Amino acid sequence: DGGITQSPKYLFRKEGQNVTLSCEQNLNHDAMYWYRQDPGQGLRLIYYSQIVNDFQKGDIAEGYSVSREKKESFPLTVTSAQKNPTAFYLCASSPRRQGSTPGEKLFFGSGTQLSVL
Amino acid sequence: GQSLEQPSEVTAVEGAIVQINCTYQTSGFYGLSWYQQHDGGAPTFLSYNALDGLEETGRFSSFLSRSDSYGYLLLQELQMKDSASYFCASNSGYALNFGKGTSLLVTP
Repeated sequence: DGGITQSPKYLFRKEGQNVTLSCEQNLNHDAMYWYRQDPGQGLRLIYYSQIVNDFQKGDIAEGYSVSREKKESFPLTVTSAQKNPTAFYLCASSPRRQGSTPGEKLFFGSGTQLSVL
Repeated sequence: GQSLEQPSEVTAVEGAIVQINCTYQTSGFYGLSWYQQHDGGAPTFLSYNALDGLEETGRFSSFLSRSDSYGYLLLQELQMKDSASYFCASNSGYALNFGKGTSLLVTP
C-alpha cells in the first residue's frame, strides 16, 4: 500500500543533542513538507521541498535542518539550537500535476511526538 | 503574511448540521482546503475549493468566496465519529498555511 511513513512515533531529546526524524513516502510525490503542531496552535510550516535536491524554509525554520537527496525521503533534524522542540511533527507530501499547484491536497504521515528529557 | 481565523470550538447534536467558518488574509492565494484530525492522529483531506462556490462530497460540503476572503465547511447528518478538529488551510502555490483549528464536539 502507498503512503507516508514517519519514524519513530515517539522520540526523546537530551539537552544539546541533535535528533533526526524520518519521513519516507512511496506515493511518487514530488513535493514534501514538514509541519510542527503545538496544542492550540494549528500546523506551522518548517521546511518544504518541491523537487529532489531543493528545499525552502517555511515560517519557523530556525533550529531545524532538512535534506532531500532522494525523492522518497525528507528527513528533519532538530538541532540543539531549537530551544523549545517539544511538539508533534508531521510530514506530508503532495503530487505535482500539470495545471494544479502542489498545495491542493496533502497526504500526511502519522506523526512523531518529540519530547525533551 | 498569512493568517486564517476560525472558531476554536463548536458543539452540535448528533444528526444536526454544523457550519465552521474560516476567514483568511494571504499574499498569494490559490484555494482553500479543509482537513480533519482526530486526537493523536494525522490530518486527513476533506475538500478543496479553488473557485467560488460550493463543493459537495457526501455529508461534507465546502464553500469559498474569494471576494469576501471567506469559506466554510458544512457537515450534515452529524455522527459521533465526526468529533474531531477541523482545519482550514490556504494554498499559497507552494505549501499550505493552516488555521488554528476548530474542535467539534458531537453530543448524543
